[in-house]
Amino acid sequence: DVKVTQSSRYLVKRTGEKVFLECVQDMDHENMFWYRQDPGLGLRLIYFSYDVKMKEKGDIPEGYSVSREKKERFSLILESASTNQTSMYLCATSRGGPGGELFFGEGSRLTVL
Amino acid sequence: DAKTTQPPSMDCAEGRAANLPCNHSTISGNEYVYWYRQIHSQGPQYIIHGLKNNETNEMASLIITEDRKSSTLILPHATLRDTAVYYCIVGLGSGDKLTFGTGTRLAVRP
Repeated sequence: DVKVTQSSRYLVKRTGEKVFLECVQDMDHENMFWYRQDPGLGLRLIYFSYDVKMKEKGDIPEGYSVSREKKERFSLILESASTNQTSMYLCATSRGGPGGELFFGEGSRLTVL
Repeated sequence: DAKTTQPPSMDCAEGRAANLPCNHSTISGNEYVYWYRQIHSQGPQYIIHGLKNNETNEMASLIITEDRKSSTLILPHATLRDTAVYYCIVGLGSGDKLTFGTGTRLAVRP
C-alpha cells in the first residue's frame, strides 16, 4: 500500500512565523500535490510537482512556496504565516499518466494565532 | 477544467443502495470521471474512476451515461461507515490539476 506521511497532524503557530509542512511518500511516485481544505470551499490546489526540483503553481499559491529536493519529499512553506492561512493542509501523490488515482495523507491542521 | 455539480447532501438507510449523482456536462472526450470520499478528519480516499464504460470494484459501481454528461456512484449496501463526503471530479489523469468541489455529504441512517 502507498503510504503518504505528513509530518504533523496539528500545529499552532503565531502570525509572522515561518512554517514548514513536510510530506513523504514511499512509492516512488512522480507527482506530488499540496491542497488546503476550508469549510464550504472544498479542496483547493496550492502547488504541485511532477519531478524533483520542479514545481508548478496551483489555484491559490499566494503566500506559499514549496520545495522538492528529493523525489519522495515535498515541503510546503509559509514564509510568514497569517491568520487566514489557518486551515487543513493535505498532501497527495500519484504515479501520473491517464486514469491514475491520487493517494492522500491524513492532513495537517494548522492554526495561526 | 470541467466542473461538476453534486447535491450538497443525501441520506439513505443502512443496508440499502446509495446512489450519488453527478453532473459534468462540459467534460471533454479524454477526461475521466473520478470519485473520492472523505471520512471526517481523514484525507480523501479514492473509490473508483471511469472513462466511458461502467466500472465496478469492491467498493462501488460507477455508471456513466452514454453522452458522458452525468454519472452515478452506487454503494450497493450502505453501512454506517460509508457516512462521508463524496467528491465527483473530472480530469485527464492523476497528474492533472484535479479540482475538488464541496461534494455530497452522505449520511447513512441505522
